Amino acid sequence: DTGVSQDPRHKITKRGQNVTFRCDPISEHNRLYWYRQTLGQGPEFLTYFQNEAQLEKSRLLSDRFSAERPKGSFSTLEIQRTEQGDSAMYLCASSLPPGQTLSYEQYFGPGTRLTVT
Amino acid sequence: GQQVMQIPQYQHVQEGEDFTTYCNSSTTLSNIQWYKQRPGGHPVFLIQLVKSGEVKKQKRLTFQFGEAKKNSSLHITATQTTDVGTYFCAGPLSGSARQLTFGSGTQLTVLP
Repeated sequence: DTGVSQDPRHKITKRGQNVTFRCDPISEHNRLYWYRQTLGQGPEFLTYFQNEAQLEKSRLLSDRFSAERPKGSFSTLEIQRTEQGDSAMYLCASSLPPGQTLSYEQYFGPGTRLTVT
Repeated sequence: GQQVMQIPQYQHVQEGEDFTTYCNSSTTLSNIQWYKQRPGGHPVFLIQLVKSGEVKKQKRLTFQFGEAKKNSSLHITATQTTDVGTYFCAGPLSGSARQLTFGSGTQLTVLP
């Protein structure tokens, strides 16, 4: 399967614990995005990477959230001191480099469902 | 801040009936994208519209971008059970290259 993959698919954690999620984009995609989706809502943008550079971050993103993409391939999203309000589906997406045909098309992974108890 | 609203929130149709969802932005958009998310699945890109008044068709799906580039619609002709899912529109945040603001979606149920 050459699609976007995410790990783990499900995570249950206790409030106050730290969690880390991983995203592996499609190999030829140099852009990578993180979103959060709660029930009945559309995906909410969190952050965006082009190669290893984090170019944009949502102004609404708490400083408990941090993302990295150290080698420009896979990315990790860490949430520190989790709160019940962090319970959501965390989606990763990737897209082709700028200038390529259909570079605006984002391919989403299956997501990591986080439950904070 | 920028808002993207969709109506209706839910729509139940009998198989074979038509379906339309509407998307309205509080600001002018440079482009608009549409995604479909099946129950339990992830969003899947459908199309991007860029030009004012643009209309694009994909088989039974017709997408339209308003003249003022602040609204869009998706129309499905003769729905099938495979059309079930939530349809989202998304537009780029003003001043951002890559941040997409998604609407809250229209959840379509097709009754056989």
